[in-house]
Amino acid sequence: QKEVEQNSGPLSVPEGAIASLNCTYSDRVSQSFFWYRQYSGKSPELIMSIYSNGDKEDGRFTAQLNKASQYVSLLIRDSQPSDSATYLCAPGGGATNKLIFGTGTLLAVQP
Amino acid sequence: NAGVTQTPKFQVLKTGQSMTLQCAQDMNHNSMYWYRQDPGMGLRLIYYSASEGTTDKGEVPNGYNVSRLNKREFSLRLESAAPSQTSVYFCASIITLSGRTYEQYFGPGTRLTVT
Repeated sequence: QKEVEQNSGPLSVPEGAIASLNCTYSDRVSQSFFWYRQYSGKSPELIMSIYSNGDKEDGRFTAQLNKASQYVSLLIRDSQPSDSATYLCAPGGGATNKLIFGTGTLLAVQP
Repeated sequence: NAGVTQTPKFQVLKTGQSMTLQCAQDMNHNSMYWYRQDPGMGLRLIYYSASEGTTDKGEVPNGYNVSRLNKREFSLRLESAAPSQTSVYFCASIITLSGRTYEQYFGPGTRLTVT
C-alpha cells in the first residue's frame, strides 16, 4: 500500500462546477496536511494547509480532514480553466516535519 | 517561490560527470529539503536538513551527497552522474508559523538530463 494515494485522473469538470479531489494516507502519526497545485513545467505551489479535523475554507478552496478515516480532500468551487493543473496531497509530521507526497491528480477544467 | 532560489535551471551532463545543484533561501528558515520528481513517481525526498549543521537521508539518497553550508544554503552533489538521475530537482524550505503549524515552499527547480 502506498503511503499517500490519489486518483491520478484526469478529472474533467466543466467551468463553474465543483471539483472534488481526494487523498488517503497510511501514516497515522501525520498531523499536518497540505495541498499543492503544480502547473506543467513549474514547481509545486502551496494552496491549502489543514491541521485539525473538519473543514477549512480559503476563497474558492475548501480542505476537509478526517484523521480517523485517514482521509483529506480538496474542493474547488466555481472551477476555472486556470485551475487546470496537477494537485498534490502531502501529509507531514514528526520532529523533522517531513512531507510525503502523493503522485497527484490531474484536473482539467473544460471551458 | 517565496524566496527559494535554485541554480542552474537546466543542465545536461554526460554519464560519470559530477555537478552541484545550489539552493538558497532568504527567509531564515531552519529546515531545507531536496526532492526529485519523475513522471508517474511524484516527488521523492532525497535528503533533508532539519537545521544548520545536520543532514539526513530521505527516500532515495543513493548517488547523492548534500552539504548545509550555512542556514541559507543547501547544496546537492552528484559525484558520478547516471542516466537514472535524469529528473527535475526541487529544493524546498519550511517556515514554522506557530506551535506545530508550518508551511513548505519550493524553489523553481533544476531540470537535469544525463546522457
